Amino acid sequence: KAGVTQTPRYLIKTRGQQVTLSCSPISGHRSVSWYQQTPGQGLQFLFEYFSETQRNKGNFPGRFSGRQFSNSRSEMNVSTLELGDSALYLCASSLGRRGLEEQFFGPGTRLTVL
Amino acid sequence: AQSVTQLDSQVPVFEEAPVELRCNYSSSVSVYLFWYVQYPNQGLQLLLKYLSGSTLVKGINGFEAEFNKSQTSFHLRKPSVHISDTAEYFCAVRMNRDDKIIFGKGTRLHILP
Repeated sequence: KAGVTQTPRYLIKTRGQQVTLSCSPISGHRSVSWYQQTPGQGLQFLFEYFSETQRNKGNFPGRFSGRQFSNSRSEMNVSTLELGDSALYLCASSLGRRGLEEQFFGPGTRLTVL
Repeated sequence: AQSVTQLDSQVPVFEEAPVELRCNYSSSVSVYLFWYVQYPNQGLQLLLKYLSGSTLVKGINGFEAEFNKSQTSFHLRKPSVHISDTAEYFCAVRMNRDDKIIFGKGTRLHILP
């Protein structure tokens, strides 16, 4: 069974631009979560989707948004990029909506904002 | 507010020596506890989890952790480390109340030859 895939793996943008990251969960998984990982802040939860509905949201500004499609694939968008948005963005999928289940992580998208 | 503290940002250990990575959390509600490992240039992989029942949890790669409710701790241990254990280890807490997950800032495990 294929794992979680994220595209692109690397991305370079400039301040003020917007970016869209994509995540394809493991087949059959309906829950997708997004995290931002930086050396200073560690891993921070962005949001979680289940069956195309946002279930949970972390403490990020409105420039960060996401969505989930009917095939469970998810995208996250960051508008008006800032230097501080440079990070590794990780996507994780799980079978259902309860927090008891294991999350499977993708390799991440490394975003660099210049 | 809920939080997760990993007391050591880096831990150097000689190969075949035992190791303990510490994790403390604060929460006013019941929690689920996890340890994840991140190898260089990879995503996170679940090592083990505590949901309920026995407070000693065994995971993959010979790791185990013990949940101590009175001390709000969930320390990770391995009796004998290998060079392949070089990685960053994250403790995570998921709140029963709202399912939000909070990660610690990670502990880098350096295995010395």
